[in-house]
Amino acid sequence: GESVGLHLPTLSVQEGDNSIINCAYSNSASDYFIWYKQESGKGPQFIIDIRSNMDKRQGQRVTVLLNKTVKHLSLQIAATQPGDSAVYFCAEIPTGGYNKLIFGAGTRLAVHP
Amino acid sequence: ETGVTQSPTHLIKTRGQQVTLRCSSQSGHNTVSWYQQALGQGPQFIFQYYREEENGRGNFPPRFSGLQFPNYSSELNVNALELDDSALYLCASKGGGAKDEQFFGPGTRLTVL
Repeated sequence: GESVGLHLPTLSVQEGDNSIINCAYSNSASDYFIWYKQESGKGPQFIIDIRSNMDKRQGQRVTVLLNKTVKHLSLQIAATQPGDSAVYFCAEIPTGGYNKLIFGAGTRLAVHP
Repeated sequence: ETGVTQSPTHLIKTRGQQVTLRCSSQSGHNTVSWYQQALGQGPQFIFQYYREEENGRGNFPPRFSGLQFPNYSSELNVNALELDDSALYLCASKGGGAKDEQFFGPGTRLTVL
């Protein structure tokens, strides 16, 4: 399949290490944030979300941190696996919107054995 | 698999032509959104349909239009195709909650020559 992120910044990690992917969002009025994973040839897949009244949320092997002061979002992946290799996008939904997702630029995660 | 399907998978058109892309939403989902994803970039919101009515639109010209049918499936129509319309077109469906997760289909890769 075609590559989703030919010119995206790349984070290279060793299998088993922890990964941290960062994202700066644009709209201080956004109240809902989501991380998506996109593999080559596929649509974005939901990973984890967080609402603006929270600073941290944990899922299975993933943690999302939200810093509203500096409009920064991060995704932490514990014990990164080869299957985690993909392009990761953060997305925001502005308050009062109609669920329009505003996507960030994306980061390619490359996991090496 | 998200239960959202799109057709066709790939499509090649020439400049000036018209194209129709189709999306079948996940069962029970009454909201469908369309996104354009250029190579190496995040998806850009085109518009959203809720119960057969357009209820939100991004920064796309009127030659991008859509329909939603009573079974909540949807079409994206693009007239007078331009070279810059070459992209992956994604649809996403969601249920009736305010911030329910949106499920993406695999996309249609459109190439305009």
